[in-house]
Amino acid sequence: GESVGLHLPTLSVQEGDNSIINCAYSNSASDYFIWYKQESGKGPQFIIDIRSNMDKRQGQRVTVLLNKTVKHLSLQIAATQPGDSAVYFCAENREAAGNKLTFGGGTRVLVKP
Amino acid sequence: AAGVIQSPRHLIKEKRETATLKCYPIPRHDTVYWYQQGPGQDPQFLISFYEKMQSDKGSIPDRFSAQQFSDYHSELNMSSLELGDSALYFCASSLVRGETEAFFGQGTRLTVV
Repeated sequence: GESVGLHLPTLSVQEGDNSIINCAYSNSASDYFIWYKQESGKGPQFIIDIRSNMDKRQGQRVTVLLNKTVKHLSLQIAATQPGDSAVYFCAENREAAGNKLTFGGGTRVLVKP
Repeated sequence: AAGVIQSPRHLIKEKRETATLKCYPIPRHDTVYWYQQGPGQDPQFLISFYEKMQSDKGSIPDRFSAQQFSDYHSELNMSSLELGDSALYFCASSLVRGETEAFFGQGTRLTVV
């Protein structure tokens, strides 16, 4: 069936370094791919999204790359800060499916000072 | 800015009891989504409403029901609670037309004992 999943469950990063979180998806009919950040005890927080007809989108300190050929999505966080420590989920969204989100398994990012 | 409000934040129920979770979406948002997140799991879509009508249904048990009221708030009713229903329940709201960003509430942590 459809699935969105992540490769690594935990990523330890030195403060100031760049982080890369990867995600594989199987549904090529997705319209958008979205990255969410979830801190302990809180709801998922939108970070950035990318439409399926794009291959790169940049935000503030974050970049999302989409490779439709291999159905791979990544989130790059520049100059990782302690406040970036959280669980990151990728999700896919299809307008034909009422815009509900299908989440992949999370990756925990631990930023070491 | 107003966010998605969920109540209660924490709820402890015994097996076979009933629970009602409430969600107040961001003003003028026309779509509400409910998600269930088990320990260490990614959020799983349960059900959604668009303009007070059920728009999509995911992996929601028959013991659960939900509705959206005239003031757009939504309630998730859970009956005959089981230990496996213990989870975080998130509500999210969005503007369907032309929007991908869903805003999540802080969640309700349900513990069934």
